[in-house]
Amino acid sequence: DSGVTQTPKHLITATGQRVTLRCSPRSGDLSVYWYQQSLDQGLQFLIQYYNGEERAKGNILERFSAQQFPDLHSELNLSSLELGDSALYFCASSASRPGLAGRLVNEQFFGPGTRLTVL
Amino acid sequence: AQKVTQAQTEISVVEKEDVTLDCVYETRDTTYYLFWYKQPPSGELVFLIRRNSFDEQNEISGRYSWNFQKSTSSFNFTITASQVVDSAVYFCALSEANFGNEKLTFGTGTRLTIIP
Repeated sequence: DSGVTQTPKHLITATGQRVTLRCSPRSGDLSVYWYQQSLDQGLQFLIQYYNGEERAKGNILERFSAQQFPDLHSELNLSSLELGDSALYFCASSASRPGLAGRLVNEQFFGPGTRLTVL
Repeated sequence: AQKVTQAQTEISVVEKEDVTLDCVYETRDTTYYLFWYKQPPSGELVFLIRRNSFDEQNEISGRYSWNFQKSTSSFNFTITASQVVDSAVYFCALSEANFGNEKLTFGTGTRLTIIP
């Protein structure tokens, strides 16, 4: 058990719909990352939050958005869903924080993932 | 841009054999981190190891060992005396060492099957 929780475990929905995936990081971790794992794209970084603020953005579609709340849990919102959005979505957390360049604590621990199926 | 290549898509070995998974990376950064993750059939991603670019010491943990060679930009992973429980997809990953740039760039993974 990594200590990172994600809900729901499975989600089945239809094209055009909107869903919200939830992630709770490990206790004390301020950084949250979202990744997408699909058959054609592999494992891809989507977005990172640190203590409530967006820190880095990857290949995240405009139809997707995320936020991190004061209690540090994060949500990934996916809208206008398409068949190609079917994937396993992972959340990860780490203890990384500014001021540690070169000695960054970057062990990212992953949650169990949310499997999204768009029909 | 960073890139990780795992040329071996699938490997099958008989139980108790040793197996090495290859990983070659590209980066312009002088300081970076390399990782290996295991994804068993249940789907979760399990952290195995992190190496810093400034530390080329090889590491052994039980039946697992890692060979980091900066000169060839490789970070290979060896399982000794493989077991059926080692069957999984293994991912090599790379990240920068600066806050705000810790995103992991993953390879495409190697599916390892241990035959009983």
